[in-house]
Amino acid sequence: KQEVTQIPAALSVPEGENLVLNCSFTDSAIYNLQWFRQDPGKGLTSLLLIQSSQREQTSGRLNASLDKSSGRSTLYIAASQPGDSATYLCAVITGANSKLTFGKGITLSVRP
Amino acid sequence: NAGVTQTPKFQVLKTGQSMTLQCAQDMNHEYMSWYRQDPGMGLRLIHYSVGAGITDQGEVPNGYNVSRSTTEDFPLRLLSAAPSQTSVYFCASSYSKVAGVGTDTQYFGPGTRLTVL
Repeated sequence: KQEVTQIPAALSVPEGENLVLNCSFTDSAIYNLQWFRQDPGKGLTSLLLIQSSQREQTSGRLNASLDKSSGRSTLYIAASQPGDSATYLCAVITGANSKLTFGKGITLSVRP
Repeated sequence: NAGVTQTPKFQVLKTGQSMTLQCAQDMNHEYMSWYRQDPGMGLRLIHYSVGAGITDQGEVPNGYNVSRSTTEDFPLRLLSAAPSQTSVYFCASSYSKVAGVGTDTQYFGPGTRLTVL
């Protein structure tokens, strides 16, 4: 059974800091991995999608990497801003059971 | 495009009542799914559909029913509401499928917050 872990559950950083959010998964037979952002009381917004054959994807100040063999992904946020405060979730689609499995998310607070 | 829309935004039910959560998308997506989000449990898949007329169960299907008569709509029915179904429900869609699973970017609706008393 695929399990996705995100540690720590919460993170607080000062504005301007570069930061890394971690995601790990137990079954490396994935189709893709996605990073989402969720603001309080809102739905999920997709930030980046990495196919299993890719190593990384970039969008603006965000960079996501994928290491399938070790079951890890990182989301790098450059020059963090208070507007980056949200919960960040990673999710994988696994070939074995063909469903999207989510981590529980990391709640990020960027202090002005 | 409106994207993925969900109605209602909020709902309060009494135990034993039934209701339908509506979900629609205007992006011609084949793959649609329903999740529930609970504190400490994360998002869990309830049901999904890979196209009109085709549905399948996810991780927590008990107490829920779905149908997919059109590409655009994917309603979720609560047959007899229970307090354990108090949750936030999200509908999602994506364009393509591989082996029955959407592999492109998943688009989520704004959610329905359901309370069962």
